Amino acid sequence: DGGITQSPKYLFRKEGQNVTLSCEQNLNHDAMYWYRQDPGQGLRLIYYSQIVNDFQKGDIAEGYSVSREKKESFPLTVTSAQKNPTAFYLCASSPWGGQGATETQYFGPGTRLLVL
Amino acid sequence: GQQVMQIPQYQHVQEGEDFTTYCNSSTTLSNIQWYKQRPGGHPVFLIQLVKSGEVKKQKRLTFQFGEAKKNSSLHITATQTTDVGTYFCASNSNSGYALNFGKGTSLLVTP
Repeated sequence: DGGITQSPKYLFRKEGQNVTLSCEQNLNHDAMYWYRQDPGQGLRLIYYSQIVNDFQKGDIAEGYSVSREKKESFPLTVTSAQKNPTAFYLCASSPWGGQGATETQYFGPGTRLLVL
Repeated sequence: GQQVMQIPQYQHVQEGEDFTTYCNSSTTLSNIQWYKQRPGGHPVFLIQLVKSGEVKKQKRLTFQFGEAKKNSSLHITATQTTDVGTYFCASNSNSGYALNFGKGTSLLVTP
């Protein structure tokens, strides 16, 4: 089956700990994205990557870090510097249509992070 | 990025009533996409509109893109309980590399 997977589905973290959220896709998409969703806030972009070994900050990158060592994988680390990390984290991927183009984004099932 | 504003934030209808959500921008949009997120689920792509004045239909759903390409709407005719969820519009950021999402309209349909 082709698709995008995220793990774990639920994640608990103690304050002061870093935690890494997994995102894998087998759709052969060039672009991958991380969003954060809070109630009533919609989706806010954290980081995105157009190609392997390259990524860009989104609107709320502070306290987060990413890597893109493989086309299929785009893990997100929530660091202790993120003051309000409790949220629903969504990963997405899309074909890359070049600047100015908008391709459909395919979302993973999400990871719910709860800081204890 | 290009901000898109969605109204209303919430809508509660009786099954069989119609529903409309609106997406507005102060700047011209190159295109607009609509997504649906079921409760507890993830956003799923519905449609993309590109041309000025474009209208597309998917069964009971009608999508419109304004003539000035600054607004869009999603209209559902005769809602069903399966329509429950949050509907998001999204458009290109200024860089063109990512999407800016509206805050969504949450639809509740009661039988």
